[in-house]
Amino acid sequence: NAGVTQTPKFRVLKTGQSMTLLCAQDMNHEYMYWYRQDPGMGLRLIHYSVGEGTTAKGEVPDGYNVSRLKKQNFLLGLESAAPSQTSVYFCASREPGQGTSGYTFGSGTRLTVV
Amino acid sequence: GEDVEQSLFLSVREGDSSVINCTYTDSSSTYLYWYKQEPGAGLQLLTYIFSNMDMKQDQRLTVLLNKKDKHLSLRIADTQTGDSAIYFCAGLVMDSNYQLIWGAGTKLIIKP
Repeated sequence: NAGVTQTPKFRVLKTGQSMTLLCAQDMNHEYMYWYRQDPGMGLRLIHYSVGEGTTAKGEVPDGYNVSRLKKQNFLLGLESAAPSQTSVYFCASREPGQGTSGYTFGSGTRLTVV
Repeated sequence: GEDVEQSLFLSVREGDSSVINCTYTDSSSTYLYWYKQEPGAGLQLLTYIFSNMDMKQDQRLTVLLNKKDKHLSLRIADTQTGDSAIYFCAGLVMDSNYQLIWGAGTKLIIKP
């Protein structure tokens, strides 16, 4: 089972460039999430989606946009990258009501903005 | 809102027990989780405890929940080098659209 797949795994961007991170899940989960992980700060929620066609802001949404056109995919966009967006980005998914299974995470995308 | 705190580092000798602690502020968390992150990898669910439980044991892992003190702990018995990782506690909060609130993670260092 693939679970949650993130592409790319690594990327270096110049300040001002744009890019899209792709998250794909094959578990038919309704909920999907984008987090960023910075040293000593744990995971911070950027945006999330509770179903196809829906998105909502999380704790740190500024500078990011998302889309959920298909249930299995959740895209995270950076329109104009800044060095402060250097981080490791994780996508996760879950099925509502299944508290015992928690979230399923992708393996992460390491982004460096120079 | 919910706040979850963990110590950043824990160092133990191989074969000893490791106890990783977590405190939280919001008592409305329904599930509390422990995740493990190995270097360069994503987060893997280790175990969870439901908020109406005091203890849960799963092989070498024991989770203790003290709701009065809002304290959660993860005990790893007979710690091995393969347990070296960052451990995150997280709470599933009903009032936040069932989002997970995360601690900053505890890096477990194993000494030979």
